[in-house]
Amino acid sequence: EAGVAQSPRYKIIEKRQSVAFWCNPISGHATLYWYQQILGQGPKLLIQFQNNGVVDDSQLPKDRFSAERLKGVDSTLKIQPAKLEDSAVYLCAERGLGTGELFFGEGSRLTVL
Amino acid sequence: AQSVTQLGSHVSVSEGALVLLRCNYSSSVPPYLFWYVQYPNQGLQLLLKYTTGATLVKGINGFEAEFKKSETSFHLTKPSAHMSDAAEYFCAVSPNNAGNMLTFGGGTRLMVKP
Repeated sequence: EAGVAQSPRYKIIEKRQSVAFWCNPISGHATLYWYQQILGQGPKLLIQFQNNGVVDDSQLPKDRFSAERLKGVDSTLKIQPAKLEDSAVYLCAERGLGTGELFFGEGSRLTVL
Repeated sequence: AQSVTQLGSHVSVSEGALVLLRCNYSSSVPPYLFWYVQYPNQGLQLLLKYTTGATLVKGINGFEAEFKKSETSFHLTKPSAHMSDAAEYFCAVSPNNAGNMLTFGGGTRLMVKP
């Protein structure tokens, strides 16, 4: 079994400000993902980590988004500067061992005003 | 390249009625297909998945889905809806069983009327 804790659950900022989200995968499995879920849409992959390394960040807007995973466990996702269109729920997920199932956290809801 | 289309962003059924949520996919390789459920203010939870073998897949909470290659479909069904089934449902496709490169559909919100 796996579990993913995310914080903060809610964040409201003004455009051009910065924000950071934390992901704590309780089980510490090797593969970790960040997804962006805009209201009314399905989740979209932003970045995938395998241990400390980045496997796929092709859809990450690198001019404003950055992510890191220290020690192969916890991860942070940062947005600087934020734009209105960044308003979304940011979901962190880890992959269960041997199953391919992704275990998602409850998400961090960002509102950019 | 792969994509998922979920027909109907909102579906409303009466309690006890059949639930049918539609999903069509496109994939350049044999697909691995998933259904996830998202309850309000919660993360996504896996309902069921198709990898290889039997095309009728049974999942949790009485849900099942059938992979039809000729129709490129993976519709989700439940014989009798329960109030607790009210949630958002996402169909997803991946080129592998590892959960990588998962592409989600836009979701279908299921409402269950008493």
